[in-house]
Amino acid sequence: KAGVTQTPRYLIKTRGQQVTLSCSPISGHRSVSWYQQTPGQGLQFLFEYFSETQRNKGNFPGRFSGRQFSNSRSEMNVSTLELGDSALYLCASSLDGGNTEAFFGQGTRLTVV
Amino acid sequence: GENVEQHPSTLSVQEGDSAVIKCTYSDSASNYFPWYKQELGKRPQLIIDIRSNVGEKKDQRIAVTLNKTAKHFSLHITETQPEDSAVYFCAARGLQGSARQLTFGSGTQLTVLP
Repeated sequence: KAGVTQTPRYLIKTRGQQVTLSCSPISGHRSVSWYQQTPGQGLQFLFEYFSETQRNKGNFPGRFSGRQFSNSRSEMNVSTLELGDSALYLCASSLDGGNTEAFFGQGTRLTVV
Repeated sequence: GENVEQHPSTLSVQEGDSAVIKCTYSDSASNYFPWYKQELGKRPQLIIDIRSNVGEKKDQRIAVTLNKTAKHFSLHITETQPEDSAVYFCAARGLQGSARQLTFGSGTQLTVLP
């Protein structure tokens, strides 16, 4: 079956702009989590969505938001971009967000200039 | 919330030798501990996981051990090969509330020298 798909793969934005990233989970998976990966900070948890509800949120400013649709696809939005937002954004899907394997997408490489 | 510490940050071994990566966690309620391998430019992929009702798990050359009392778990790779070179991440997850998220260690860059 198809894996986790993230679009776009690469994005270049200017400071102050906003951006929307998309994540399509594996069919049947209802939990989608988002992570920010940077060389110095590793994998930092942003938020988790399950059945269209945000179930968990990490320690990121309110400029970072997300949502999940009825087909479990999820979007992440970052408003008023800052240079420090440049990172690889990864989403991971799992059946229910419990003790089952989380599968990662290829990520979206966001560069803010 | 959960805090996961991972050591070492870099590890170089000769091909054929063993490699050990260690992680400690802070939340005694955590009960799921996966290990991910991320090759350069690729997505993290699960290589092995262990649940808190098990002390050790093996899959060919890879094994993970868990010490719940001491709150630490380790990844062991035997007979290392150049293709084992990658960044390895440990993680921990609980079952309730904010502990449900996967909290990752900072990663270990493993280099297997031919």
